[in-house]
Amino acid sequence: ELKVEQNPLFLSMQEGKNYTIYCNYSTTSDRLYWYRQDPGKSLESLFVLLSNGAVKQEGRLMASLDTKARLSTLHITAAVHDLSATYFCAVDNFNKFYFGSGTKLNVKP
Amino acid sequence: NAGVTQTPKFRVLKTGQSMTLLCAQDMNHEYMYWYRQDPGMGLRLIHYSVGEGTTAKGEVPDGYNVSRLKKQNFLLGLESAAPSQTSVYFCASSSNPGASGANVLTFGAGSRLTVL
Repeated sequence: ELKVEQNPLFLSMQEGKNYTIYCNYSTTSDRLYWYRQDPGKSLESLFVLLSNGAVKQEGRLMASLDTKARLSTLHITAAVHDLSATYFCAVDNFNKFYFGSGTKLNVKP
Repeated sequence: NAGVTQTPKFRVLKTGQSMTLLCAQDMNHEYMYWYRQDPGMGLRLIHYSVGEGTTAKGEVPDGYNVSRLKKQNFLLGLESAAPSQTSVYFCASSSNPGASGANVLTFGAGSRLTVL
């Protein structure tokens, strides 16, 4: 069974700092997605990564994919409070999606 | 444009009762999914469907049944609810990715189920 591991699971950081969330997965796949979930809300799509070396950026967030290492990263630059949420990576395995446990990010003023 | 609508949003059941969660999408998506979300465990796939009249098991299918009689609807049934099925249930849908390969999920708002 495909395993998806995220770390860290909890991240408390100061505004203005940088940090990276890691997503490792256990099987060959070249399609990986990042989602954001606000407390009590649903999930919304952030990034779609479809090939080795893919890099996507939106505002202070940048996601990358290394299919050979089976690793995706979500990098946060100069964090702001509005980025506080839970972030999930998900691996697409023949249209079945396997999610990581999520990284709960708290950005403190 | 409603997207993905789940009903009910909240439900409390007693052990052994049955219920059905309804998911409806208005985007003409081929694929539909039911996930459950438990603290610290991310989302786990219960069942999914790749088209009208089709269903398949996911990671945690035991205790659940599904049906997709119409393309826009995907029903999740609990025949005899157990406390272990207390969770938040999310329905999601996506279009056939085709050549682009992107298969982005659109999620419903979630249904919180408590089994006493």
